[in-house]
Amino acid sequence: SQTIHQWPATLVQPVGSPLSLECTVEGTSNPNLYWYRQAAGRGLQLLFYSVGIGQISSEVPQNLSASRPQDRQFILSSKKLLLSDSGFYLCAWRQAGTEAFFGQGTRLTVV
Amino acid sequence: GNSVTQMEGPVTLSEEAFLTINCTYTATGYPSLFWYVQYPGEGLQLLLKATKADDKGSNKGFEATYRKETTSFHLEKGSVQVSDSAVYFCARAEGQGFSFIFGKGTRLLVKP
Repeated sequence: SQTIHQWPATLVQPVGSPLSLECTVEGTSNPNLYWYRQAAGRGLQLLFYSVGIGQISSEVPQNLSASRPQDRQFILSSKKLLLSDSGFYLCAWRQAGTEAFFGQGTRLTVV
Repeated sequence: GNSVTQMEGPVTLSEEAFLTINCTYTATGYPSLFWYVQYPGEGLQLLLKATKADDKGSNKGFEATYRKETTSFHLEKGSVQVSDSAVYFCARAEGQGFSFIFGKGTRLLVKP
């Protein structure tokens, strides 16, 4: 069966510090991968998606970036965090034509 | 453009009340439609889905029917429980493409 792992579960980082959130998927090959952000009281905002290794598409311009160094690994990064980067970050995967499956999320607080 | 619109929350109901959360979509083709549920502090879980017109998705007493003529996928439950308190998201996906779009979510609070 397929599983998705996302870590860390919670993170408190100072403004200006770097960020690296990791997501890995098991039990499937060549999935579409997604990073979403959920800010307090707001819906899900699609940040990045990837259809293959090294292929990243950005939906919203900001100081975040994403990378896919391996087929089932998706990393969300920032060189310098802003207060506005605080939120709940969710990784998801899906195969074309199916539903999306989500990780448990990372609660990021930038202080 | 393609989008999903769902009713604003929060929705507050008493236990055993009837629930409806409205969802409408726009799409160029024939998308698959989904309802996800998010319990506090957790990720999203698939609640139900429908892949073509007139399909009815159902799970845990929740139901939603894919209505192509009204481009809607309203979520219903005949008798809610306190444990149903969560945020509910409507979503659509276009066929074989990457696009997977969510509505803004509707918070449901069920009081005993």
